[in-house]
Amino acid sequence: GEDVEQSLFLSVREGDSSVINCTYTDSSSTYLYWYKQEPGAGLQLLTYIFSNMDMKQDQRLTVLLNKKETHRSLRSADTQTGDSAIYFCAARPGGGYQKVTFGTGTKLQVIP
Amino acid sequence: DVKVTQSSRYLVKRTGEKVFLECVQDMDHENMFWYRQDPGLGLRLIYFSYDVKMKEKGDIPEGYSVSREKKERFSLILESASTNQTSMYLCASGPGLNQPQHFGDGTRLSIL
Repeated sequence: GEDVEQSLFLSVREGDSSVINCTYTDSSSTYLYWYKQEPGAGLQLLTYIFSNMDMKQDQRLTVLLNKKETHRSLRSADTQTGDSAIYFCAARPGGGYQKVTFGTGTKLQVIP
Repeated sequence: DVKVTQSSRYLVKRTGEKVFLECVQDMDHENMFWYRQDPGLGLRLIYFSYDVKMKEKGDIPEGYSVSREKKERFSLILESASTNQTSMYLCASGPGLNQPQHFGDGTRLSIL
């Protein structure tokens, strides 16, 4: 089955950009979703991208496709302390019903 | 906005009890899901349902069952709770094959 990998922890200073990487093993994965989880809460959908898109920008967030096609990153410009949370990427193959596979989540700590 | 409501935010039960976790969505979504979230393991799919009275096993169905008698409601049942089922449980719903899932706020379940 699909494996989705993320680093467990990232620390950045307020105002800097942050980049969270996501690597998935199934090159046929068609959809990639990004979620944010604040302490004690559920997952909030941030954005999603199809595999034929190299980049998608949504306000401060940019999803980028790295040259290796199974590696995408979520970039946040001007990171704020309110962005401190756990960020999950999830990959899903296209064609018929296929379950979504989630990564382990990256805990982002924004230092004032 | 999509609203997925889980009946309890926190729940404490005893070993051997039968436990019901309820989830309701208000967007007429066909697909509903139950996950558990544990530190370092990300989200793991327990069961999902793509239609009323239909259910499919996810990755870790052992010790759980589900019920979907109405489209908007998906229940997770722990037949005989055990301490290793202490976890955060997340319910999600989604409208179709390629659309992202939307999550509830989660139920933190402790089995003593």
